[in-house]
Amino acid sequence: QVLLQESGPGLVKPSQPLSLSCSVSGGFIGGLDYYWSWIRQSPGKGLEWIGYVYYTGSAYYNPSLESRVTISVDASKRHFSLELTSVTAADTAIYYCARAHVGDFTGFYFDFWGRGTLLTVAS
Amino acid sequence: SSELTQPPSVSVSPGQTARITCSGDALAKQYVHWYQQKPGQAPVMIIYKDTERPSWIPGRFSASSSGTTVTLTVTGVQAEDEADYYCQSAGPNNAVFGGGTKLTVL
Repeated sequence: QVLLQESGPGLVKPSQPLSLSCSVSGGFIGGLDYYWSWIRQSPGKGLEWIGYVYYTGSAYYNPSLESRVTISVDASKRHFSLELTSVTAADTAIYYCARAHVGDFTGFYFDFWGRGTLLTVAS
Repeated sequence: SSELTQPPSVSVSPGQTARITCSGDALAKQYVHWYQQKPGQAPVMIIYKDTERPSWIPGRFSASSSGTTVTLTVTGVQAEDEADYYCQSAGPNNAVFGGGTKLTVL
């Protein structure tokens, strides 16, 4: 059973950067068949994919957030991270980390999720 | 990936069959995956690769695919199935979710 646990500041001021971390246990972060992903959900809204990072460090992002997002991985420390710059109230959301399963097919799906961490942007 | 369209809500009585659709042009070439999200909880994958069901998901959940529409079916709905359901698809380097469907058990 793969367990993911998000951690973050809870509250960030507008225009400041935010940084979230996801610790991974029960699974090998260096596995060839997995991307390590961030997904967010604004209050009362749907799910939005932010991006993913492969164990090599290669990352891909949602085009709508690409200019402000960086996702990185530290396989030796069994965690990966999200950085989002110039936050506004629109970035207030529950942020989930998740494992994306890839394989002999195009695309991927999210088979394990963290419980999520609420990030509020307010002064 | 492109947009995925779901109905905002579906309502059924206990024991009936609920069907939730997910439509999008990209689905002709990409798999769809389904997630269940109960209030205050993280999403849980219930169907992957259009029709595959993890062993720990009850058999009353199934899905079918036809062209650019995929349908999640819950046969014999139970009160505990009341939740939001999201479809998701992905290309090689991006992913998109449908807007979600709230399943209400009357």
